[in-house]
Amino acid sequence: QKEVEQNSGPLSVPEGAIASLNCTYSDRGSQSFFWYRQYSGKSPELIMSIYSNGDKEDGRFTAQLNKASQYVSLLIRDSQPSDSATYLCAVGLTGGGNKLTFGTGTQLKVEL
Amino acid sequence: DTGVSQDPRHKITKRGQNVTFRCDPISEHNRLYWYRQTLGQGPEFLTYFQNEAQLEKSRLLSDRFSAERPKGSFSTLEIQRTEQGDSAMYLCATTRGDYGYTFGSGTRLTVV
Repeated sequence: QKEVEQNSGPLSVPEGAIASLNCTYSDRGSQSFFWYRQYSGKSPELIMSIYSNGDKEDGRFTAQLNKASQYVSLLIRDSQPSDSATYLCAVGLTGGGNKLTFGTGTQLKVEL
Repeated sequence: DTGVSQDPRHKITKRGQNVTFRCDPISEHNRLYWYRQTLGQGPEFLTYFQNEAQLEKSRLLSDRFSAERPKGSFSTLEIQRTEQGDSAMYLCATTRGDYGYTFGSGTRLTVV
């Protein structure tokens, strides 16, 4: 079992729709959760962090965390073609020097 | 420009040669990480420093790999006797603490 699992996609959504990206993790000691966006050929860019159960909103992005289910998700509202990228879920253990374990990423395509 | 600088951006080397990459972190970030990313995969942890101390090395890091961070400032990653399997994007990331990383632009290594 992989430590952090994501559906590789591609996930295709029409412009203006809500994109829903999901991630599960195996280590119950995980304390910090991040979503990174990565455009082709570029390095990952942090877009959301979440540490507590529930929802966290930032602009068009909402991160959701459920530690009991070991599940974290990212919702992108009003999806734009510029949101087309690979979204990486990353999970960290407090006290582990914030070493992050990344999933393989979900490719999102926003279609006109 | 993320504030984390990596050099060079691209490196093509012949199998068996040694290569060295450099990372200059954001000045107030005391933690520095090296990750490796291959096509279609998420970044994989290699090693990390808190100030000048190298606190953890991945089992992925063979004896051919060595990293330093003298005086807790810039860091170098050296690969000796490169192999074709070393071809990847090498990413440097820094953080102040238990926060999300800021990645550099990466160094893309191609071993021919």
